[in-house]
Amino acid sequence: EAGVTQFPSHSVIEKGQTVTLRCDPISGHDNLYWYRRVMGKEIKFLLHFVKESKQDESGMPNNRFLAERTGGTYSTLKVQPAELEDSGVYFCASSQVFRNEQFFGPGTRLTVL
Amino acid sequence: AQSVTQLGSHVSVSEGALVLLRCNYSSSVPPYLFWYVQYPNQGLQLLLKYTTGATLVKGINGFEAEFKKSETSFHLTKPSAHMSDAAEYFCAVSDGPGNQGGKLIFGQGTELSVKP
Repeated sequence: EAGVTQFPSHSVIEKGQTVTLRCDPISGHDNLYWYRRVMGKEIKFLLHFVKESKQDESGMPNNRFLAERTGGTYSTLKVQPAELEDSGVYFCASSQVFRNEQFFGPGTRLTVL
Repeated sequence: AQSVTQLGSHVSVSEGALVLLRCNYSSSVPPYLFWYVQYPNQGLQLLLKYTTGATLVKGINGFEAEFKKSETSFHLTKPSAHMSDAAEYFCAVSDGPGNQGGKLIFGQGTELSVKP
């Protein structure tokens, strides 16, 4: 069974540009989570989808971040326009309904110059 | 609100020595507690978890942790460190399974080094 995959693994962009990160959860996992780790700090929750619905987006930093999960399968996280403080590693995780174990992807390292 | 504190951002042990990584949590509801490990250039991998029941939980690679409610702690231990244990370890807490939320609140992480 394939694990959680994320694309790209690395992204380097200029301040003001747009970047879209993609996450493909494990097949059949209705729960999908996005997290971010800024260098030197803890991993922080961004948002949670149940199927295609946003269950909790309390961790989204501001309206420059837009997450979607059309059809309840893969998810995208778009940052527009990117700022220097958006640099970090963005993790995606998925889990089955009623289960508490989350499976993590390898992360996307975003660098904003 | 929930929070997690990991004591020590870096821990160094000799091969064969006891590994002890400390984690204290704060939670207003019965917590679900987790330890994750991240090896270089990989995603987070679940080591073990506590939800309900037995307070001593065993995980993969010889690790175990004990939930102590009175001390609000969930320390991770391994009797004998191996070189392959060198990684970053994260303690996390959540308020329940995915249908009830389930977002993870992480500690700052502890980098474990193992000396030969």
